[in-house]
Amino acid sequence: AQSVTQPDIHITVSEGASLELRCNYSYGATPYLFWYVQSPGQGLQLLLKYFSGDTLVQGIKGFEAEFKRSQSSFNLRKPSVHWSDAAEYFCAVGLPGSSNTGKLIFGQGTTLQVKP
Amino acid sequence: GAGVSQTPSNKVTEKGKYVELRCDPISGHTALYWYRQSLGQGPEFLIYFQGTGAADDSGLPNDRFFAVRPEGSVSTLKIQRTERGDSAVYLCASSLIGTGYGANVLTFGAGSRLTVL
Repeated sequence: AQSVTQPDIHITVSEGASLELRCNYSYGATPYLFWYVQSPGQGLQLLLKYFSGDTLVQGIKGFEAEFKRSQSSFNLRKPSVHWSDAAEYFCAVGLPGSSNTGKLIFGQGTTLQVKP
Repeated sequence: GAGVSQTPSNKVTEKGKYVELRCDPISGHTALYWYRQSLGQGPEFLIYFQGTGAADDSGLPNDRFFAVRPEGSVSTLKIQRTERGDSAVYLCASSLIGTGYGANVLTFGAGSRLTVL
């Protein structure tokens, strides 16, 4: 069965430091890959997505992610974290081909805390 | 509307009661999704509508859960005989198309938090 693993449940970084959130997926082919952010009381907001092509994807708010087929990973990065980035981050996969719909499989999330 | 709207934002009910949660998707979006997010977990797919019909209801946990979208716009998620384990945030999302490239770019609402006492 398809699955998404976010190994880090909680991460704390200092403001201005770099950030990397890990995501690994299990699927027989290359799925579509997404990162969402969820702030308290807010809906999930799409940060970036990978469908095909260039494996380094740029998103909103200065985030980027790199797809590595050999590692089945899609890690999220930001060079310099701002206090407003504190939130919960979810990695998700969508299944391509005939199953290409909005039925996504989400990881359990990583909570990011930013220290002043 | 400008975004996906969900009502109520919070619902507290007693075990055994019936609950309805409403979702108003982005105008013109043909596909609508319901997800459930339990505490400390990522969202889990429940059901997907393409237009008025349920195209995939494989995520509904049991027959106490039912959803409708009679006019292809607003959707209602209905839970009968609620149980404490139903407590979660119920998220609605919509997308412009149902299948094909770009179909899985979803816009989510803020969710309806259901607490069953």
